[in-house]
Amino acid sequence: EVQLLESGGGLVQPGGSLRLSCAASGFTFSTYAMSWVRQAPGKGLEWFSSISGSGDNTDYADSVKGRFTISRDNSKNTVYLQMNSLRADDTAVYYCASRAYRNGWFFDYWGQGTLVTVSS
Amino acid sequence: QTVVTQEPSFSVSPGGTVTLTCGLSSGSVSTSNYPSWYQQTPGQPPRTLIYSTNTRSSGVPDRFSGSILGNKAALTITGAQADDESDYYCVLYMGSGISVFGGGTKLTVL
Repeated sequence: EVQLLESGGGLVQPGGSLRLSCAASGFTFSTYAMSWVRQAPGKGLEWFSSISGSGDNTDYADSVKGRFTISRDNSKNTVYLQMNSLRADDTAVYYCASRAYRNGWFFDYWGQGTLVTVSS
Repeated sequence: QTVVTQEPSFSVSPGGTVTLTCGLSSGSVSTSNYPSWYQQTPGQPPRTLIYSTNTRSSGVPDRFSGSILGNKAALTITGAQADDESDYYCVLYMGSGISVFGGGTKLTVL
């Protein structure tokens, strides 16, 4: 059974930093790209970062570019999100998702999410 | 800036058929955008329904189908059930590793 378990969320002050983790199991982690998707309270979903299976390639939405860094440790089956210079509008539930390619890219499996609240 | 458009809300009667659409603020959606669809109920993570325009994810009932209709991607629910009442999101791949979610459609079954 595929499982993705996010951790590391919490309350942080504006301008602060936080590191999220997503531990994966039930599939060959190193062969899958991974992504982070977030959802602000009462709002829609937003893709903002992905990383290739090897970790060599990363992509970011403009909303987080230069502030957030995605990385992975295939020996630990874990993907990370380092978030710096956090702002109030970064408040959201953060989901990690596996990103598969079968005649096209899509988000395959989803974690339960971890809540990040940016507030003083 | 690319905006992916969806109807904010839609309603369908139990047993009825509804088609939700996913468009682009500029241009047409094609299979090259690899349209995918996700269902989300309050407090839960998204569930993958359709990928690559029209392929159902594992375990998804065949009353859900995907297609390209005109210049938009479409999700059709045939024989709607009460537990189909959810938010539905489409995603379009824009190239260079960038995926964009639509704003979501809140589907009411009544």
